[in-house]
Amino acid sequence: GAGVSQSPSNKVTEKGKDVELRCDPISGHTALYWYRQRLGQGLEFLIYFQGNSAPDKSGLPSDRFSAERTGESVSTLTIQRTQQEDSAVYLCASSLGSGGADTQYFGPGTRLTVL
Amino acid sequence: GQNIDQPTEMTATEGAIVQINCTYQTSGFNGLFWYQQHAGEAPTFLSYNVLDGLEEKGRFSSFLSRSKGYSYLLLKELQMKDSASYLCAVRDSNYQLIWGAGTKLIIKP
Repeated sequence: GAGVSQSPSNKVTEKGKDVELRCDPISGHTALYWYRQRLGQGLEFLIYFQGNSAPDKSGLPSDRFSAERTGESVSTLTIQRTQQEDSAVYLCASSLGSGGADTQYFGPGTRLTVL
Repeated sequence: GQNIDQPTEMTATEGAIVQINCTYQTSGFNGLFWYQQHAGEAPTFLSYNVLDGLEEKGRFSSFLSRSKGYSYLLLKELQMKDSASYLCAVRDSNYQLIWGAGTKLIIKP
């Protein structure tokens, strides 16, 4: 595909359930990023992958959040035992590398609503 | 700590010019990005500056002064479709991207 894709586009879940969000980066992009954006707020960094490894997990808000990436391609972000404060748009971005000029290209996001 | 400051909201008139400022304090500097984000959509890349000076791209220009920790995004001949949030982001010495909270630009006819 031409751009970053994410699925599902919308997810409504009940408090306490687990959810899995998927990101397909641009083909050939080695770096992949997950962000969270609450309504009317800025981007909150969650985790970054270079290849299949995650050198920076510093943004994960709690141990309920985890992410993995396989085959230097698809990544999944898992939120266990969801809470209402997890409601937000989860954005994925990819870039060719993680050097100075490497631009991050964003997917359309997954809007998560926890009831 | 690392900090990116942008005005929260600005208002401008269709056809006019607006300048959105961004000041930063980061551990090192490896480039500055501007992104546009329409409501309910993902951010899209606008510009990248790593050297001092002005980069022009059609109606949009971005300026950088590394010694002052300062950048601005200049939008000319404003159109209603330019109503959006504009995000400033700086890549630090660890090549991590530090994001500002964004400036919401409202264009009035």
